[in-house]
Amino acid sequence: NAGVTQTPKFRVLKTGQSMTLLCAQDMNHEYMYWYRQDPGMGLRLIHYSVGEGTTAKGEVPDGYNVSRLKKQNFLLGLESAAPSQTSVYFCASTNRGVTGELFFGEGSRLTVL
Amino acid sequence: DQQVKQNSPSLSVQEGRISILNCDYTNSMFDYFLWYKKYPAEGPTFLISISSIKDKNEDGRFTVFLNKSAKHLSLHIVPSQPGDSAVYFCAASVGAGKSTFGDGTTLTVKP
Repeated sequence: NAGVTQTPKFRVLKTGQSMTLLCAQDMNHEYMYWYRQDPGMGLRLIHYSVGEGTTAKGEVPDGYNVSRLKKQNFLLGLESAAPSQTSVYFCASTNRGVTGELFFGEGSRLTVL
Repeated sequence: DQQVKQNSPSLSVQEGRISILNCDYTNSMFDYFLWYKKYPAEGPTFLISISSIKDKNEDGRFTVFLNKSAKHLSLHIVPSQPGDSAVYFCAASVGAGKSTFGDGTTLTVKP
């Protein structure tokens, strides 16, 4: 039962470095999302996709880019990491259905020094 | 401007008693409301939902109540069990689209 898989699970970067987080889902979901969670806060939407080849900005998109070249994958990129991007990142997917229930990955903990 | 608010950061209850977690929202366009549960070092998992055409939805020990006039919903867990100890997030969406989350409430159920 893979569901939603995120890689890597942990990463430490220096300010200015770049990296890509990969999200893969095996449920044939159309919609995919990247959220970040900071201590004591809820999940804030960074970017999302409503289908292969589409992306859109969420609530906190600055400093991030995304791509959805394949339906099952959604990549989140940081071109020049900043300490403010230290966070736990969650990928989620759904086919929306009746309620829009999201299926989440386990999270990727990113620290920017 | 936070559209979904969970004003209690934490809640502690005794095993077997009722847990009541609250959530308020400001956007009257929200028509789907969901609760997620999150254990440490794991992603959130869906728990229960309710649409705006209902005022109550029940699933086993979990019941969600919606008061549209007050823009308030609550999650009741009866009876509470130690395994229910987790962070609970309230979320809301328009037309089952992208969800807006509250900051979460940490529930501790004491044996």
